Amino acid sequence: AQTVTQSQPEMSVQEAETVTLSCTYDTSENNYYLFWYKQPPSRQMILVIRQEAYKQQNATENRFSVNFQKAAKSFSLKISDSQLGDTAMYFCAFMGGASGTYKYIFGTGTRLKVLA
Amino acid sequence: NAGVTQTPKFQVLKTGQSMTLQCAQDMNHEYMSWYRQDPGMGLRLIHYSVGAGITDQGEVPNGYNVSRSTTEDFPLRLLSAAPSQTSVYFCASSWTGDRYEQYFGPGTRLTVT
Repeated sequence: AQTVTQSQPEMSVQEAETVTLSCTYDTSENNYYLFWYKQPPSRQMILVIRQEAYKQQNATENRFSVNFQKAAKSFSLKISDSQLGDTAMYFCAFMGGASGTYKYIFGTGTRLKVLA
Repeated sequence: NAGVTQTPKFQVLKTGQSMTLQCAQDMNHEYMSWYRQDPGMGLRLIHYSVGAGITDQGEVPNGYNVSRSTTEDFPLRLLSAAPSQTSVYFCASSWTGDRYEQYFGPGTRLTVT
């Protein structure tokens, strides 16, 4: 069974600094998708960035980028120039569809606090 | 588009009561799912559906039923509420054309006393 592990329950970063959130996963599939979702205090889940496993190039969305290491099954999120609005829970998620099940598996989350 | 809507936003039930959490989406997404979020546990998949008439179990299906009679609606039924079902429930939808990005509803906070 697939698993997703986020080993950092809480992190903090100074405004304008860079922070990296870790995520590892376990799967026997070759084709899958990985996601980072943000959940601010409003509780709304927001997609931050996604990565297709067949793509070697790391995904980037403005200040957010990932370091995708397929062999190591690692998918970390880097936030550059951190802003107060980045304060939120961040969830790493895996979606594999090889068997047609399309099940998403979420990690337990990292609570990020950006300090002024 | 309203996106994914959930009702109610808050609910308090007594042990043994039943109720249905409603979820609807107007984006013609084929994939819909229900999660529960508990402190320190992340989001756990309860049930999901890949299209009208097709449902399957997720990680934590016990005590919940679902059906998918239309593309738009995916209700979650609690058969006999228990305090262990106190949680925040999220509904989400997605489609393969958008590389499986899930769109989430605002959530329902359920308390079972």
